Amino acid sequence: GENVEQHPSTLSVQEGDSAVIKCTYSDSASNYFPWYKQELGKRPQLIIDIRSNVGEKKDQRIAVTLNKTAKHFSLHITETQPEDSAVYFCAASGGGNKLTFGTGTQLKVEL
Amino acid sequence: NAGVTQTPKFQVLKTGQSMTLQCAQDMNHEYMSWYRQDPGMGLRLIHYSVGAGITDQGEVPNGYNVSRSTTEDFPLRLLSAAPSQTSVYFCASSSGLAGYEQYFGPGTRLTVT
Repeated sequence: GENVEQHPSTLSVQEGDSAVIKCTYSDSASNYFPWYKQELGKRPQLIIDIRSNVGEKKDQRIAVTLNKTAKHFSLHITETQPEDSAVYFCAASGGGNKLTFGTGTQLKVEL
Repeated sequence: NAGVTQTPKFQVLKTGQSMTLQCAQDMNHEYMSWYRQDPGMGLRLIHYSVGAGITDQGEVPNGYNVSRSTTEDFPLRLLSAAPSQTSVYFCASSSGLAGYEQYFGPGTRLTVT
């Protein structure tokens, strides 16, 4: 089945700096790569996603890049703000059209 | 729309007890899933359903049963609770299994002593 690895597990940045979270996947058939944000005690919520026919997608301060050859994709957050502090999960669709999640990155934006 | 709802929010069980976690959605989604979330392990798929009457196993199905008699409801049953099942459980629904946004419920925090 699909295996998704996510790094780093924790990330601390200064307010205004950029943050990058990286994921790799194993199943070359995967074609959908979402990112979810989970605030403390809350449910995960989709923030951005990308499909395999697109190399990059941007939504305001958030962007995702995909390299299908290398089987990795990344989340980029620019001009970070305190409200960006949360746990971020990447995921990939594997065989059987099921989503496999990474282990999460705890992002802390410091003032 | 209420979206995806789950009950209860918190539950404490003794080893060997059984219980059912409830999940309901009002978005007319065909696809529903159950995940468990443990520290450092992300979200792992337990069981999923592609429509009423159809269920299948995910990554960690042992110790859990599901059924889907209606489009709206997808209960998760713990047959004989074990401490290893202490976790936060999330139900999710979507228009499709993959390639579609998963809408998560608020979660149930379960402790098995």
